[in-house]
Formats: sequence, structure tokens, C-alpha cells
Amino acid sequence: ETGVTQTPRHLVMGMTNKKSLKCEQHLGHNAMYWYKQSAKKPLELMFVYNFKEQTENNSVPSRFSPECPNSSHLFLHLHTLQPEDSALYLCASSQDPGQGNYGYTFGSGTRLTVV
Amino acid sequence: GNSVTQMEGPVTLSEEAFLTINCTYTATGYPSLFWYVQYPGEGLQLLLKATKADDKGSNKGFEATYRKETTSFHLEKGSVQVSDSAVYFCALTHSGYALNFGKGTSLLVTP
Repeated sequence: ETGVTQTPRHLVMGMTNKKSLKCEQHLGHNAMYWYKQSAKKPLELMFVYNFKEQTENNSVPSRFSPECPNSSHLFLHLHTLQPEDSALYLCASSQDPGQGNYGYTFGSGTRLTVV
Repeated sequence: GNSVTQMEGPVTLSEEAFLTINCTYTATGYPSLFWYVQYPGEGLQLLLKATKADDKGSNKGFEATYRKETTSFHLEKGSVQVSDSAVYFCALTHSGYALNFGKGTSLLVTP
């Protein structure tokens, strides 16, 4: 266990479904992140939250909607996804954004398949 | 903008062989540099880091030296094991921005 827990581990959803990914960290960190990992592509930063406030949105389509109710929890709400959205979605946390000394702590990810 | 370029994989080595995975970066100033490792079915784990020029990060037999003059942070290990089979990611962070990753290099070590 890394201290960052993601649920579910696997998710299969239809294009008309609505689902949510959950991330929880028990490290006392102040910043949380969503990354998308697709085959043969670099990890794509999606969203950054610092002290519950969204500080970065990397031109992510509106069918992905993040929510950060407190510094320990981060959600990614999904609706009307496309097959190309199938990927591993990784949550990470750090003491502060751009943490130079300690890096990020990642969860194990949610493997999403859109059918 | 900031970016990281890694050598293309997959890299296949025999056990006890020497490993080098190349990483170069583009950034203004002095970013912090990292290597992360991802084992099958898991998230990324921090392997080592360096925060200033000429720093050497090391962990589990892996090493990388921050070379400002060549903008490089190559990962090396003198004798790889089967358990080192994984995907390795070079990354940087700078000026408070979030981590920026390379595409990853897959390593397979055979007995």
C-alpha cells in the first residue's frame, strides 16, 4: 500500500453510462492529481488540485468532471465517454504542487474500458 | 515548454547485464528530475531523484546523475535482475508545475 487508494481497480462502462472514480490519500498531502495513461503515449496530466482548489485543467473534455471535497479525497466523474477514453487512470498526491524534493505518491490506478 | 524524451523500448537484457536507459530533458532553469518505475498491474513508484546539477540519485542499485551540460538524467544499473522487469519513466518538475513524464521505457530481464 502506497497510502493512495483508488477504487474501483477495474471498470467497464457503456458510452451512455455515468460512473465515478475515487481516490483517497492518507498521507496528509495538500495536492492531488489525475493522470491518464494510454498505451504508447506519455502520461497525460488531467487535473491538479491544491488545498481543494483546482489549479490546473489541461484542456480535458467536459465528459470528465473532477471533484475534490477535501484534501484527502478526489473523484473523477465520467459521463458519455468514448472508446478512446479507455485507459489507466492514475491518482497521485504530493505535499505541494511541483514537489521538488519528495515527488509524488501514486495509487494503483483504475483500468477503464469504454464499450 | 518543459519536456522529457526517453529512449524507445522495449529493452531486453539477460540477468546480470548492465542497464542504461537514456533520458534527456528540455526546461528553463534548473528542474528537479526523477525516475519512476511501474511494475505490472501497479501504479508508479518513485525510484530516485536529483534536485540540482551534478546530484546523483540512487536506490536499489539504480543510479542517475543530473547533467546540466548535456540536459540528461540517464538511468543505470550494473547488474539487472529478473525482478527489475518493469516500465521506467523519466520525469521533471519545475517552478511549481506538476510532474511532466516521458513515454516510458519497458525493460524485460530474462534469466
